[in-house]
Amino acid sequence: GQQVMQIPQYQHVQEGEDFTTYCNSSTTLSNIQWYKQRPGGHPVFLIQLVKSGEVKKQKRLTFQFGEAKKNSSLHITATQTTDVGTYFCAGRRGRRALTFGSGTRLQVQP
Amino acid sequence: EPEVTQTPSHQVTQMGQEVILRCVPISNHLYFYWYRQILGQKVEFLVSFYNNEISEKSEIFDDQFSVERPDGSNFTLKIRSTKLEDSAMYFCASSEVSGLASTDTQYFGPGTRLTVL
Repeated sequence: GQQVMQIPQYQHVQEGEDFTTYCNSSTTLSNIQWYKQRPGGHPVFLIQLVKSGEVKKQKRLTFQFGEAKKNSSLHITATQTTDVGTYFCAGRRGRRALTFGSGTRLQVQP
Repeated sequence: EPEVTQTPSHQVTQMGQEVILRCVPISNHLYFYWYRQILGQKVEFLVSFYNNEISEKSEIFDDQFSVERPDGSNFTLKIRSTKLEDSAMYFCASSEVSGLASTDTQYFGPGTRLTVL
């Protein structure tokens, strides 16, 4: 079945440093979504990428979708303590069910 | 802003008991989902529901599970005979039905933590 892997599993940065998480799918995706989950919270939708090679920005967050639509990345510039949480990518192959990645837990040291 | 709500927030049950988890999706949404997340692990898809029937289900969603939309607002997940390994956070999600099925955004509820003793 479809598998979505993320690396790293865990990242600890100093406030102000950049952070990147990478997402790789075993199959080509129709789109990819990114979610943030705060400790004890629920997944909160951040963004959706649909087109091959697409790049989208949300303030300090930059999202990319690979040319082959099998990988994606999320980059945070100048992290803040409010960025703490687990970031999940979730891929879809045309049907509605999301296959979530394993997640990257981000810890930001003030 | 409209949001998905879930009750209860925490449910403790004995192994073998039936539980019903409740969700109220966003009012104009037509697609509903259940996901689960075992502590410290990733979110896993269970089932999707549209037009009063199951649209997709995963291998996790076996005969012990069922879903229902008993009225115009609630969406429920029933586990008939709970097992220890059913302990997890269960998230309900909903989405509007757009013209292109693959781009619907799913909005998650706060979850129900199920503890099976």
